[in-house]
Formats: sequence, structure tokens, C-alpha cells
Amino acid sequence: KQEVTQIPAALSVPEGENLVLNCSFTDSAIYNLQWFRQDPGKGLTSLLLIQSSQREQTSGRLNASLDKSSGRSTLYIAASQPGDSATYLCAVIKYMDSNYQLIWGAGTKLIIKP
Amino acid sequence: AAGVIQSPRHLIKEKRETATLKCYPIPRHDTVYWYQQGPGQDPQFLISFYEKMQSDKGSIPDRFSAQQFSDYHSELNMSSLELGDSALYFCASSQTSGQAYEQYFGPGTRLTVT
Repeated sequence: KQEVTQIPAALSVPEGENLVLNCSFTDSAIYNLQWFRQDPGKGLTSLLLIQSSQREQTSGRLNASLDKSSGRSTLYIAASQPGDSATYLCAVIKYMDSNYQLIWGAGTKLIIKP
Repeated sequence: AAGVIQSPRHLIKEKRETATLKCYPIPRHDTVYWYQQGPGQDPQFLISFYEKMQSDKGSIPDRFSAQQFSDYHSELNMSSLELGDSALYFCASSQTSGQAYEQYFGPGTRLTVT
């Protein structure tokens, strides 16, 4: 069974720092891996989608890497801002039982202090 | 195990027509999400319902509307279709309990607007 783990569970850093969020998964047979952002009481905002054949995706100050063989992905946030405060979720996408299934990590709650 | 069911699986419509997509969540799942995924793009969150009430709204055009019925199935109504509406529309369901949850996606409805 695929399990997705995110470390740390919570992170609080001063504004301006670069930071790395980690995601690990137990089964390397994934379809895609996706990083989401979730603000309190809100839906999920897709940040970056890495297809299984890719190693890296970049969008603005965000960079996500994928190493399938080691079952790891990282989300790098450069020059963090208070507006980056949110919960960041990593989701592994598998195709199972005729459904695309997102298997989520528990998330990392990020607080950027002004 | 029961999965999320979406119907129809494929739909072809002409510009300015109306389309209705249906989603049947996994039994006992209380939340339904709609996503739109254009070619080569990340799924974009459209709207979600929790216990038959709209819980969050994403990038859903004003031409679209959705609702969740008493049996928890949901329908996405799309009017005045445009060529740019051609995409894969995913429905997902989840049971909102616990911190780490799995969002199960349906197989999607591929809408082609000609």
C-alpha cells in the first residue's frame, strides 16, 4: 500500500529564508506527484505537478524535484514571504481501480514570520 | 471496492451548447470536488461540496454551476460552451476525517467542444 510521508509536520521560519519541504512515498510505481497548497478552510491549489518521467518542475519561487528510485520529492521555496504561510500537501497520483487516486501526505504547516 | 463514477466518459458538444456532467462519489464520502484539466496542464480546482453545501470555489467560470444532491451525487452544469472548455473534467470525493485523507478521483469526463 502506498504511503506518503511529509516532514516536517510544521515549520516556522522568518521571512526571506529559503526552505525545503520533504515528501517520501513507499511505492515508486507512481503516475505523477503533485504538490498542493491549502489555506485554512479553502480548497487545494495545485502548485506543481511532476510526471513520473520528469525530475524537476519550477514555477516562480518554487522548485519541486522527484526521485522515484528513492521515493522522495522535495519542494523548495526561495525567498519565503508571509503570504506563503499555508499547509503544503504532497500527493502521489496512482491509477487504481479505474480511478486516478491521490494519496496524500499529512502536510507541512508552514508559517512565515514577518 | 467502489470507486468514484463519472458520466458520461466522453462528450462532444458544439460551441454555445450546454453540457451536464455527473459524479457519484464513493459511498460514505461526504465531500465532492470538481477539477478541470486542460491538455498538459495541472488539474485546476473548480468547486467543492461538503454535505450538499458548497464548501469552496476555485476557478469556476460564471457559465458553470454545480450542486450536490441528497444522495451525494453531484452535477456540473456548463452553459454557453466555448472551445477553451475542452478538457478533462475530474470529480473527486473524500471522507473528511483525520488529518491525512485520500481524495479519490473518478476516471474523468473528456469534453470536446467543436
